[in-house]
Amino acid sequence: AQSVTQLDSQVPVFEEAPVELRCNYSSSVSVYLFWYVQYPNQGLQLLLKYLSGSTLVKSINGFEAEFNKSQTSFHLRKPSVHISDTAEYFCAVRTNQAGTALIFGKGTTLSVSS
Amino acid sequence: GAGVSQSPSNKVTEKGKDVELRCDPISGHTALYWYRQSLGQGLEFLIYFQGNSAPDKSGLPSDRFSAERTGGSVSTLTIQRTQQEDSAVYLCASSPGRHTEAFFGQGTRLTVV
Repeated sequence: AQSVTQLDSQVPVFEEAPVELRCNYSSSVSVYLFWYVQYPNQGLQLLLKYLSGSTLVKSINGFEAEFNKSQTSFHLRKPSVHISDTAEYFCAVRTNQAGTALIFGKGTTLSVSS
Repeated sequence: GAGVSQSPSNKVTEKGKDVELRCDPISGHTALYWYRQSLGQGLEFLIYFQGNSAPDKSGLPSDRFSAERTGGSVSTLTIQRTQQEDSAVYLCASSPGRHTEAFFGQGTRLTVV
């Protein structure tokens, strides 16, 4: 079965600093990878996804993630964060096999301060 | 509807009572998930329905938890003899297929007192 590990439970950064939120997965077959974001008092929404093709995927608000098959990672990065990026970020994985569920990591709380 | 709808949005129940949580997925979505979100635990997978296939129940924490999906659409998560540790936000999500992302509802906040 697939699994996801988010190595950092909390990441505090200052505004305009770069950030990396780490995600590693485990699976014996090919996977699809996702990052979801949950802003304070809001529901979960998709930030970006890797299904196939280019290993570097980008969101509309400046985040990007790179699928690294050899390191089984899908780290999320942003070169310069804003206060409004403060949220909880969840990495998720599912295999390309029929009938497998979407499994989430425990989340990383990104706190951006001025 | 336009999105995944869950009801009720909040539920307070006494320990030992049974509760039912409802999820209306996006029309046409064949996959439906239930997750539990509690502080520090992330999103805990509970159960997954995909079309007419047998559901993946591997995440249900005990036999007090069950779920069904009628007619491939609406789903109900039932928790029997609720315990205080069942207090959490229960999230439902649906997806048009396994090659796409899941879309989440706003959740039901369950408090067992």
